[in-house]
Amino acid sequence: DQQVKQNSPSLSVQEGRISILNCDYTNSMFDYFLWYKKYPAEGPTFLISISSIKDKNEDGRFTVFLNKSAKHLSLHIVPSQPGDSAVYFCAASFPEYGNKLVFGAGTILRVKS
Amino acid sequence: NAGVMQNPRHLVRRRGQEARLRCSPMKGHSHVYWYRQLPEEGLKFMVYLQKENIIDESGMPKERFSAEFPKEGPSILRIQQVVRGDSAAYFCASSPPTTGYSGANVLTFGAGSRLTVL
Repeated sequence: DQQVKQNSPSLSVQEGRISILNCDYTNSMFDYFLWYKKYPAEGPTFLISISSIKDKNEDGRFTVFLNKSAKHLSLHIVPSQPGDSAVYFCAASFPEYGNKLVFGAGTILRVKS
Repeated sequence: NAGVMQNPRHLVRRRGQEARLRCSPMKGHSHVYWYRQLPEEGLKFMVYLQKENIIDESGMPKERFSAEFPKEGPSILRIQQVVRGDSAAYFCASSPPTTGYSGANVLTFGAGSRLTVL
C-alpha cells in the first residue's frame, strides 16, 4: 500500500532552469510533508517541509507547494544547479507519529550544465 | 564527525547467517529510528527506540528481526537467519528528545548499511 507516490522515477533539467518534482499521497490524515535529498553513498538529508495548514513554503531556491484537495505536493528548485543532482524523496507524517515518516520511492534529478 | 555513524557500511552474508548492524546517534540525541530501503523503493519505517526502550516497532517483520538501544553503546539491528529478501540498505536516524510534536524535521540520517545476502 503506497500512501506516498512519486510517479516520475527520473527528471532531467538544464542548469539555470526550473526543476519541478511531484508527489501524491492518498491518506488525508497526513499533516506534515517533507522533502529529503540523497546523494549516492550518503544518507538522506532534510531539505524543506510544509505543514498541512499551509499551501506554500519557501527557502532560498527551494519552494514546496501543497494542494490538499488534490493530495498533491511539489518541490520547485529555481534556478537548478548541477550540485542539485541527487535523489529526492517526498515524505509524510501523521500527527501523533511525528518522526515515523512514510516515504515515496524517490525521483532522480539530473541537472545538466 | 558528530553525525550519525553506521557500521558496517557494507555487509555480505550467506543465507541462514546472522547480520548485525550498528548505529551510534548524534551527540545529544537519545532517539533512534531504523528504516529499510529495498531496491527501487522508498525508505520504510521499521522501529523507533529510546535508550533501553522500544517505543514503536510496528514496521519490524514479526520474525527474525530485533532491535535494541542499550544504556551504553550503539543501537543494534539484528537479523537472524537472513534470506535474500533481506538484501537492502538499512538507514538509521536519530533525533533529540522530543518536547512535543516537532513536525518530523529533526531526523538526522546516517549513511546507511548495505546488506547483501548471497
